[in-house]
Amino acid sequence: QVQLQESGPGLVEPSQTLSLTCTVSGGSITSGSSYWSWIRQPAGKGLEWIGRIYGSGTSNQNPSLKSRLTISVDTSKNQFSLKLYSVTAADTAVYYCARQSYNSGWNWLDPWGQGILVTVSS
Amino acid sequence: DIQMTQSPSSLSASVGDRVTITCRAAQSISSSLNWYQQKPGKAPKLLIYTASSLQSGVPSRFSGSGSGTDFTLTISNVQPEDFTTYYCQQSYSLPLTFGGGTKVEIK
Repeated sequence: QVQLQESGPGLVEPSQTLSLTCTVSGGSITSGSSYWSWIRQPAGKGLEWIGRIYGSGTSNQNPSLKSRLTISVDTSKNQFSLKLYSVTAADTAVYYCARQSYNSGWNWLDPWGQGILVTVSS
Repeated sequence: DIQMTQSPSSLSASVGDRVTITCRAAQSISSSLNWYQQKPGKAPKLLIYTASSLQSGVPSRFSGSGSGTDFTLTISNVQPEDFTTYYCQQSYSLPLTFGGGTKVEIK
């Protein structure tokens, strides 16, 4: 079955760039019925959808982050990545990657990676 | 953005109780509503998709209902492992949005 694993630095300095990668195993990132999403969750708070990418490279971003965000895909490595620029302490959160599966027009997020805590601090 | 409102934000129940969590969308989302369970330190896990379809491997004591703007997650005969946090999520339009969560605690 498909599994996802986040990787990247756990500590980023303010004003720098947060870079994370999600590696997909057990299936192809170019699957026609899947988008690949990033979601984050500050400690003790709710979930915020960051954005998603299709295997072809088409992406969508949350307007609240769009000006600071790039999502890309590397099909040769079966990975997709997140870059969030000019970070502040408010970007400190657990970051998850997840598959957004489509079926007959309906969609849902499953499975999810285990999550990676990123702290923005000097 | 479609705002999702969950209620209550927390509730107390005893093992064996029937628990109901409500999720309301700010506009009609048809049946584009999913439910997730999140245990401390873990990623959310899909329970119910498309408002009422039970994800494979999820116990049948979990059920979902609703369409349009009002949705319900019901846990019948709640078990000790069910005391955790639940989120609804709309998949009708981008950006995807989540409810604020409901924490189910032991009475």
